[in-house]
Amino acid sequence: SQQGEEDPQALSIQEGENATMNCSYKTSINNLQWYRQNSGRGLVHLILIRSNEREKHSGRLRVTLDTSKKSSSLLITASRAADTASYFCAPGAGSYQLTFGKGTKLSVIP
Amino acid sequence: DADVTQTPRNRITKTGKRIMLECSQTKGHDRMYWYRQDPGLGLRLIYYSFDVKDINKGEISDGYSVSRQAQAKFSLSLESAIPNQTALYFCATSERGDTQYFGPGTRLTVL
Repeated sequence: SQQGEEDPQALSIQEGENATMNCSYKTSINNLQWYRQNSGRGLVHLILIRSNEREKHSGRLRVTLDTSKKSSSLLITASRAADTASYFCAPGAGSYQLTFGKGTKLSVIP
Repeated sequence: DADVTQTPRNRITKTGKRIMLECSQTKGHDRMYWYRQDPGLGLRLIYYSFDVKDINKGEISDGYSVSRQAQAKFSLSLESAIPNQTALYFCATSERGDTQYFGPGTRLTVL
């Protein structure tokens, strides 16, 4: 398994703005997942993008994947206070393990 | 009802005590995992199990043991708790190793 590195470590925006966070990884992957963690709670799966996909949408979420740059981005549009959380990426190489980085801590100010 | 439950949700114990954290799932998944999370850090894998007869060490298994009593139950034990095992512990399940479903966590404090 390999660890993704999220960037920035922290992000603070106003409600209604868009939030973009990035993930970089080092080796080839089969897929990449994004998870959200509200303070002190379990991680919640948001979206999975496969290596042969370039973009995927789910509600207000848009994920892109650039395998040539070994990077992914998560865009949350029209952010809400309830989006305040930490966001983790998890590159998957077909193994059983997911390795989580330190995450991006998003604060959405009402 | 939640698909993945953990008990207890909070526990304070003393150095040297044996502690068991329990995880149950109703998702019917074969794969189960135990992670710990320390403040400001990501999750680190302690143990994982592909089925009842398959138990594997993760990144940080020293000081921990597990038991897979049934497909739906996976417990984590701290044989002799120490203060640096103070952390948030999560159980997770998956069907084939892609998407994982997490429990609500157990906050453990070792004094």
